Amino acid sequence: GQQVMQIPQYQHVQEGEDFTTYCNSSTTLSNIQWYKQRPGGHPVFLIQLVKSGEVKKQKRLTFQFGEAKKNSSLHITATQTTDVGTYFCAAPPYSSASKIIFGSGTRLSIRP
Amino acid sequence: KAGVTQTPRYLIKTRGQQVTLSCSPISGHRSVSWYQQTPGQGLQFLFEYFSETQRNKGNFPGRFSGRQFSNSRSEMNVSTLELGDSALYLCASSLTGEYNEQFFGPGTRLTVL
Repeated sequence: GQQVMQIPQYQHVQEGEDFTTYCNSSTTLSNIQWYKQRPGGHPVFLIQLVKSGEVKKQKRLTFQFGEAKKNSSLHITATQTTDVGTYFCAAPPYSSASKIIFGSGTRLSIRP
Repeated sequence: KAGVTQTPRYLIKTRGQQVTLSCSPISGHRSVSWYQQTPGQGLQFLFEYFSETQRNKGNFPGRFSGRQFSNSRSEMNVSTLELGDSALYLCASSLTGEYNEQFFGPGTRLTVL
């Protein structure tokens, strides 16, 4: 079945450093979503990527969808303490009989 | 526009009991999905309801069930609770389903003793 791997599991950075999390699927994806969950909170939708090679930016966040639509990344430039949380990718069902799959998440912590 | 609401927020039960969790989606959203979140297993999909019908189901035992009402509100039931059912149960609503942006509720923290 479809598998979604997300790395790294944890990342601890100095405030101001960059951060990147990667998501890899065993199958080609129709699209991919990214969510952020603050400590003690619930996942919040960040973005959805649909096109091969797509790059989208939200202020200091850059999202990329691979050319083969099997991988994606989220890059944060110059992290701030407000970026703390766990970042999840989510792959949609590949058939009507399958289900959405969330990556295991990358937990970002920041040294002020 | 009000967000997704879940009740109760916290629940403590003992093994063998059953529990019902409630979720009210964003007005106009017809799809409601349920997830179990644990530190070890991450976010696991339980099931999705759309227009009162279960449209999709994850790999959970039959002790986990749900339903959706005509007003799109949804309930999730877990019978014969086990210690391993302790988790944060999240409900998410979307306009039409999993291909759309999902809006998560605050979750119900279930502790089974």
